[in-house]
Amino acid sequence: QKEVEQDPGPLSVPEGAIVSLNCTYSNSAFQYFMWYRQYSRKGPELLMYTYSSGNKEDGRFTAQVDKSSKYISLFIRDSQPSDSATYLCAMTALNFGNEKLTFGTGTRLTIIP
Amino acid sequence: ETGVTQTPRHLVMGMTNKKSLKCEQHLGHNAMYWYKQSAKKPLELMFVYSLEERVENNSVPSRFSPECPNSSHLFLHLHTLQPEDSALYLCASSQDLYNSPLHFGNGTRLTVT
Repeated sequence: QKEVEQDPGPLSVPEGAIVSLNCTYSNSAFQYFMWYRQYSRKGPELLMYTYSSGNKEDGRFTAQVDKSSKYISLFIRDSQPSDSATYLCAMTALNFGNEKLTFGTGTRLTIIP
Repeated sequence: ETGVTQTPRHLVMGMTNKKSLKCEQHLGHNAMYWYKQSAKKPLELMFVYSLEERVENNSVPSRFSPECPNSSHLFLHLHTLQPEDSALYLCASSQDLYNSPLHFGNGTRLTVT
């Protein structure tokens, strides 16, 4: 079993829809969760990070963590064509360095105008 | 120049060639990383340097050789590569190794023929 599972997609939704991107994980030590966005021909950029269970909101983006189910989600409200990108989840334990950061495979998202 | 800069953006090399990838960060960070990104696979950490000392070597084949002459520059020397080494090679930096987000460059797209 992979430590982090992420549906690679592709996922296509119409503009204005709510998008849900998800990752599951198996290592209960993971406590630091991140979402990266990667545009075509670009490197990943950090979108959001959270340490705790529950929701964290930043504009149209909401990161949700359910540690009991080992499940994290990224919601995008009022999706825009500029949100079209690959979204990578990443996670690690709090006492681990970045050398232990574990990534998902990424979900390719296309927002259709 | 700001952020993390990688050169070249594209590289095509034969299996007997020797080439080098270059990464420079202008963020004043203390840690630098090389990642390999292949289709439908998670980001694969290759090498980590903290304060110019190598921290992690994830059993990377010896045909890949890193060099970190100072905290702002990172090189990946390539020789006798295989076609399966074709991938996007990403450089990243972070303020330090712990709980510090990664800042990625835009990568070098490597094709081995």
